[in-house]
Amino acid sequence: QVTLMESGPALVKPTETLTLTCTFSGFSLTNNGMRVNWIRQPPGKAPEWLARIDWDDDEFYNASLRTRLAISKDASKNLVVLKMTNMDPGDTATYFCARSPYSNSFYSDYWGPGILVTVSS
Amino acid sequence: QSVLAQPPSVSGAPGQRATISCTGSSSNIGAGYDVQWYQQLPGTAPRLLIYGNTNRPSGVPDRFSGSKSGTSASLAITGLQADDEADYYCQSHDRSLSGVIFGGGTKLTVL
Repeated sequence: QVTLMESGPALVKPTETLTLTCTFSGFSLTNNGMRVNWIRQPPGKAPEWLARIDWDDDEFYNASLRTRLAISKDASKNLVVLKMTNMDPGDTATYFCARSPYSNSFYSDYWGPGILVTVSS
Repeated sequence: QSVLAQPPSVSGAPGQRATISCTGSSSNIGAGYDVQWYQQLPGTAPRLLIYGNTNRPSGVPDRFSGSKSGTSASLAITGLQADDEADYYCQSHDRSLSGVIFGGGTKLTVL
């Protein structure tokens, strides 16, 4: 069965770099069309898509955050890593990773439980 | 302000029908991009309810249905049940932003 799990720090200081890892099972990021997304959700607000990495190593980013984000994968270890630089209290949110199973579609059928990241000094 | 506009709240009595709208533009829904709908219970991750405008993943009851017309989409829930109380989000892709977009969310209350 498909599962995803986010891991990383629960608390980061302003200006620090956040590194989050998504570890997944039940599918392979080497399969044609497979993609993994990072999505965040500030408390009480709507989700916001951050980035995506595809089976063929293509990377896509939210244009408004592009300069602060870097996504990478290790398909052999079934993991995807997101780095976000220069963290700010406004980046406090629950961060989710989610699978998109087909190219030319943008839906996410499986999500991790999320990790709450608080940015505070 | 979300690119996809949803009403902040809708409500209905048990057994009745509720409809949630999602209004976009010619850059997203109107450009032909599919609309998805997610249900989110407090403290949990969003759950995919509808994909590709009208399709239900396995395990989603047929009380949930989606439609799309022009620059808008709708989620209909029939036979409202207490455990349908949740936040609902629409999602699509925007050509100008070159990325996935979400609606602002609608809180469904079952009276």
